This record gives sequence, structure tokens and C-alpha cells, in this order.
Amino acid sequence: ILNVEQSPQSLHVQEGDSTNFTCSFPSSNFYALHWYRWETAKSPEALFVMTLNGDEKKKGRISATLNTKEGYSYLYIKGSQPEDSATYLCAFNAGGTSYGKLTFGQGTILTVHP
Amino acid sequence: GAGVSQSPSNKVTEKGKDVELRCDPISGHTALYWYRQRLGQGLEFLIYFQGNSAPDKSGLPSDRFSAERTGESVSTLTIQRTQQEDSAVYLCASSLDYYSNQPQHFGDGTRLSIL
Repeated sequence: ILNVEQSPQSLHVQEGDSTNFTCSFPSSNFYALHWYRWETAKSPEALFVMTLNGDEKKKGRISATLNTKEGYSYLYIKGSQPEDSATYLCAFNAGGTSYGKLTFGQGTILTVHP
Repeated sequence: GAGVSQSPSNKVTEKGKDVELRCDPISGHTALYWYRQRLGQGLEFLIYFQGNSAPDKSGLPSDRFSAERTGESVSTLTIQRTQQEDSAVYLCASSLDYYSNQPQHFGDGTRLSIL
């Protein structure tokens, strides 16, 4: 059973704060690491798919880094806004015979207060 | 363009009944995935399809669960003799393919409640 851990479980920040959270995954048999944002009453939305050690991706105020050797990824949000409030999910793909299978972490619930 | 569509959006049924959940993927997406989220738990992989084939059925919780896909399009997830522990949000997603690290596009889900 693959273990994908996210921390913290929840986070409250003030508008304008920058924040970051962590996703830990097995460092062996790495194929890809996905990040999704899931807002209440909506469907999960893809943020990034990361495949290479040292990868850094950016989308507006959100960015992510990847370290496959030690098995972690960080998601950063710069200057948080209330509309960033959502659950942020990471998902690990081990490839091989499990190409199509994503194992999700439990998520980090972010609340940005105006 | 049209996203992933799931129906019904909500389903309430009695324990022991069979239910069928439907997913219409984005046109042209050859890979289709089913997940569920039970209350207080994370997203749990159930099954995925490449075309009409399901290479990995390891996530199906029991033999009461089955899924099929036809015409490389619509998929149905069937739960027979439903139990209360089957209550969950069932999410469907699709992607261009399953092997080239494409992001998955999710539907809004079916909220299934077993009385």
C-alpha cells in the first residue's frame, strides 16, 4: 500500500500571507506527482503534473517544487486571496503496472480570511 | 468545451438495491477513472479504463462493484446489493491517455446515500 502524506491537515491564513504545504510520497518507483485544487461544491481542478526531480512549476501565484530522491513536493501560494480557499490534494503515480492509478493524499484544507 | 459529466448528481437508495452511476468523459479522452470519497476520508482509486479495457481493477472494494466502458466513451459503475458503507461521493475523471502524465479532468460527482 502506497503512503502519500500531506501536511498540515488544515491551515488558516490572512489575505496577503504567503503559505506552503507539503506532500510526501515513496521515493522509489516514481513516475509522476499531481497537484489538484478542490473547492467546495466544485470538482477537483488540475494544477500541476510533475515528473522530473528538481522540477518547478508555476501558475499565477501558485508554484510547486519536486524532490523525487527524498520523496516530497512543496506547493507555495504567494499573497493568498480568499478565492484560494480550497482543499489542495497531491496524488502519486508509481507507473509500471500502475500507470493509470493515482494514490491521493488526504489533502490540506486552506482557509484564507479577508 | 464540455467537461466530464456524471449522472445522477445525487442518489438515495435502500440497502440491498442495485445502483448504476454514469460518466461521460471529455470527447477524445481515451483514459477514464473512477474514484470515491467516503465521509472523512481521502479520494480512493477504484478502476481506470484505457479505451474500453480496464488494466487495473485492483481498487474495486468487492465483487459487488463492477464497471464497464463502451465505444471508448460512456462508462457505468454498478454497485449490486448496496451496503451502508457504499455511501460516498463517486467521482469520475478522464484524460487524453493514461501513460503520458496528462492531468485528469474531474466531473462533479455522484453523491450516493444508502439508507
